[in-house]
Amino acid sequence: QKEVEQNSGPLSVPEGAIASLNCTYSDRGSQSFFWYRQYSGKSPELIMFIYSNGDKEDGRFTAQLNKASQYVSLLIRDSQPSDSATYLCAVNNGDYKLSFGAGTTVTVRA
Amino acid sequence: GAGVSQSPRYKVAKRGQDVALRCDPISGHVSLFWYQQALGQGPEFLTYFQNEAQLDKSGLPSDRFFAERPEGSVSTLKIQRTQQEDSAVYLCASSPGQGNSPLHFGNGTRLTVT
Repeated sequence: QKEVEQNSGPLSVPEGAIASLNCTYSDRGSQSFFWYRQYSGKSPELIMFIYSNGDKEDGRFTAQLNKASQYVSLLIRDSQPSDSATYLCAVNNGDYKLSFGAGTTVTVRA
Repeated sequence: GAGVSQSPRYKVAKRGQDVALRCDPISGHVSLFWYQQALGQGPEFLTYFQNEAQLDKSGLPSDRFFAERPEGSVSTLKIQRTQQEDSAVYLCASSPGQGNSPLHFGNGTRLTVT
């Protein structure tokens, strides 16, 4: 079992809709959780991080963390074509390493 | 520049050749990481430096891989006797603190071994 699991997609949503991405992790001791966006051929770019159970909102993005169920999700509201990218979930268990999922590819249809 | 800079952007090597990949982290960043990203996969940890000290090299796939950061800033990842399975994007990332702070990634070096 991989440490961090994501649905690979592709997830296709119409422009203006909500895109919902899910991520599960295996290490119950994980402490911090990150969502990175990666455009094709580019480097991962941090868009959200969350440490505590509950929701964290930043603009059109909301991260949700449920440590009891060991999942973290990302909602993208009012999806735009520019949101089309691969979204990587990353988990840290308290040391310096990040464990990444394989990513979910999102396509926003104009 | 303000970001993490990596060079070369692309590298094609014949099997058996040695390659050296360079990373210039953000000035003043204490932590530097190397990750390997295969096509369609997430980045996989290779090694971690805190200043000039290599604190963790547990992710390096074999003894053909070697990384250094002699003065605590620029880092080089060297791969000896390259194999086809080494083909991947090699990402460098830095962060200002020690360990658990968000990473800033460079654009990576895409290595193709033929």
